[in-house]
Amino acid sequence: AQTVTQSQPEMSVQEAETVTLSCTYDTSESDYYLFWYKQPPSRQMILVIRQEAYKQQNATENRFSVNFQKAAKSFSLKISDSQLGDAAMYFCAYRSSNTGNQFYFGTGTSLTVIP
Amino acid sequence: NAGVTQTPKFQVLKTGQSMTLQCAQDMNHNSMYWYRQDPGMGLRLIYYSASEGTTDKGEVPNGYNVSRLNKREFSLRLESAAPSQTSVYFCASRAPSSYEQYFGPGTRLTVT
Repeated sequence: AQTVTQSQPEMSVQEAETVTLSCTYDTSESDYYLFWYKQPPSRQMILVIRQEAYKQQNATENRFSVNFQKAAKSFSLKISDSQLGDAAMYFCAYRSSNTGNQFYFGTGTSLTVIP
Repeated sequence: NAGVTQTPKFQVLKTGQSMTLQCAQDMNHNSMYWYRQDPGMGLRLIYYSASEGTTDKGEVPNGYNVSRLNKREFSLRLESAAPSQTSVYFCASRAPSSYEQYFGPGTRLTVT
């Protein structure tokens, strides 16, 4: 089984500032997908951003961007101009492109946004 | 489109009771999943179904059974509930060749 590690159980950021959430993973595969999901207090899981391992360019979605370091097996999420609505649990996830039905999730980072 | 729906939203069981969690999706997705979410543990895969008529074990299948009734529906059954099964359960689905899983709203289950 793949291992996804989020070493920051909790993070906080001032409104309008930038925060980076860390994620590392363990795999012997070369082709895979990585994801960041957001879970607000409503419990609904929402896809924030995804990255294909074969792409060198880091993915960006509006205020959300990733720093994908394939050799280091690192996949961090940067949130710019943080907003109160960004407060949530954030989960990093991995999916193999070969045995692609299983997703592996990290333990999550709880993000607090301070007004 | 309702997306992925789950019933019930909340449930309290006594140890040894049985129950079935229901999940349905209206997006014509082939793959469906059941996860449990525990504090500090993230989401762990219980079972998944790549297509109608097939099911496979995930990381934590013990104590659970599943049925892929048809393409839309994927149910999770607890035959004899235990306090260790107290958790939030999520169903998800995914289209073929799609990156994204779509999640249901979750079921909070408490076993006393």
